Amino acid sequence: QVQLVQSGAEVKKPGASVKVSCKVSGYTLTELSMHWVRQAPGKGLEWMGGFDPEDGETIYAQKFQGRVTMTEDTSTDTAYMELSSLRSEDTAVYYCATGPREYPGSYWGQGTLVTVSS
Amino acid sequence: QSVLTQPPSASGTPGQRVTISCSGSSSNIGSNTVNWYQQLPGTAPKLLIYSNNQRPSGVPDRFSGSKSGTSASLAISGLQSEDEADYYCAAWDDSLNVNYVFGTGTKVTVL
Repeated sequence: QVQLVQSGAEVKKPGASVKVSCKVSGYTLTELSMHWVRQAPGKGLEWMGGFDPEDGETIYAQKFQGRVTMTEDTSTDTAYMELSSLRSEDTAVYYCATGPREYPGSYWGQGTLVTVSS
Repeated sequence: QSVLTQPPSASGTPGQRVTISCSGSSSNIGSNTVNWYQQLPGTAPKLLIYSNNQRPSGVPDRFSGSKSGTSASLAISGLQSEDEADYYCAAWDDSLNVNYVFGTGTKVTVL
């Protein structure tokens, strides 16, 4: 059974960056394809990007390209999502999720609230 | 802005059957399988249906999915109070930039 545990809530000022972590247990990170999804308050789910095993690369939603970086530390089985140039519209709960390529999101982290406010 | 369109709300009384639609296009639902997620209030989403009509272990058979052309649907039969949640369809989109797209979401209310 895969378990994903995310880092705690963050408060950031506009223009800053945030880095959210997602610790994997039950499997090693190399066995998984990690994705990141966010949800603004009262809004729907939005895919930010993830590892595509077909290409062997991390792909990013066009909306976030140039502003988001997803990395992995296989020595600690921890995935990271860093979002830069934060603005108020980035206030959201950020989730890590993993699963087979056809259906990412078999397993989800508990979510990390990122608040962007001056 | 989501490319998969769902009705914003659906409702039913306990025991009734509720159906949620998900409308897409040839680049997403038309060429890839559809997944459904359930999000209970204040919790992370949970995979409910994958590959159009498959249920993960532990998901009751009251939940079923189907797909036809560029549309998909989720049916909940024998509606129960604990089914009150938000439901999202999702699929890979093979347009210019490959993306995994979610539907706009449907709030199911048990009356």
